[in-house]
This record gives sequence, C-alpha cells and structure tokens, in this order.
Amino acid sequence: KAGVTQTPRYLIKTRGQQVTLSCSPISGHRSVSWYQQTPGQGLQFLFEYFSETQRNKGNFPGRFSGRQFSNSRSEMNVSTLELGDSALYLCASSLDRPSTDTQYFGPGTRLTVL
Amino acid sequence: QQQVKQSPQSLIVQKGGISIINCAYENTAFDYFPWYQQFPGKGPALLIAIRPDVSEKKEGRFTISFNKSAKQFSLHIMDSQPGDSATYFCAALKGNTDKLIFGTGTRLQVFP
Repeated sequence: KAGVTQTPRYLIKTRGQQVTLSCSPISGHRSVSWYQQTPGQGLQFLFEYFSETQRNKGNFPGRFSGRQFSNSRSEMNVSTLELGDSALYLCASSLDRPSTDTQYFGPGTRLTVL
Repeated sequence: QQQVKQSPQSLIVQKGGISIINCAYENTAFDYFPWYQQFPGKGPALLIAIRPDVSEKKEGRFTISFNKSAKQFSLHIMDSQPGDSATYFCAALKGNTDKLIFGTGTRLQVFP
C-alpha cells in the first residue's frame, strides 16, 4: 500500500503570496490532518478533515485554510504569506478518528518564505 | 501554553545503553499517549502508544511507562542502536477532539 504523499516537497515563496499544498492519504483512509513543524514551536495541529468536512481546528489565523475532496485528498492553503510561515507542513491520514486509528504521516512540504 | 512537556532536549547514549525520554502532561482529559520517531527528511512515524488504563506497554526494545497520578509517561529504549538515532516526540490526545498535542522533541544520538 502506498503511503501518504505530499506535493510539492519543497516550495519557495515571497511574503504576501499565497500557496497551496496537496496531500494524498493512504488508500481507504478518510481522515486527513495537517500539522506545522518549526524549530521554535515544534509540531502544531492545524486542522483535520473527514468526509470533506473540517472536523477539528487548531489555533491558527484564518490565513490558513484547507479542504478535502470526495476522494479524501486534501489541500491546504496559506494566504498572504509571512516570514514566520516558513516551516515543514505535514499531512497525516487515518482510517477514521485519530483518537482510535493510527495516524500515518507523509514526508512533508518544506515551505520557505523570503 | 505548553500542554505536554518533554525532556531532555537532546540525549547521547552509547550503543547497548538505555535511552530514557520523559514527558509530563497537564490535561487529565488526555486519553491516548503515542510516541513518534522522526528521521531527517521524513515525517514522524508511530513507534508505540499507550492508554491510561495500563501502566506499561512493551514492544520489542521499546517500552512506555505511564504514571497516571503523576501525569507523566516515559519512553525507554533498551539496547540502544545507532539506527535509533532520530528525534522522538511524545504526544497526547483527547478522544473527543482528535487533536494530537506534541511535546517539543528529543534528539537522540547513539554512538557505537
């Protein structure tokens, strides 16, 4: 079974631009969660989607948004990029609830904002 | 507010030794405590997890010890190997939120 895939793997943007990151979960997994990983703040939960609906949300500004498609693939969008948005963005998928089913992480998308 | 505190930040262990990483949590509503291992350039991978109804769980060389009254849990890696060199994260989750709250990570280096 293929693992969680994320595209692109690396991205360089400038302040003020917007960016869209993509995540394809493991086949059959319906829950997709997004995390931001930085050296200073560590791993922080962004949001979780299940059956095309946002089920949980972390404490990030409205510039961070996401969506999930009917095939469970998910995208994350960050608008009006700031230098502090430079991070590794990780996607994780699970069969259903992360509280009961193992989450499998993708390799991440490394975003650099200049 | 950091809900899961992890220590030490870094750990150097000789091959064959025991690596111990500790975590403490504040929220008594947490009911799932996983440990993740992350190699450079990779996403975290689940190593072992425990729920508060047991005090210890062992899988191979990896053991989680859980102390509910102290709100602490720890990862023990027995017979540490150079291949165990990675960053380890503890985490906690409340069942009704499905949000994993991660510790700050421990960089483990095992020298031959």
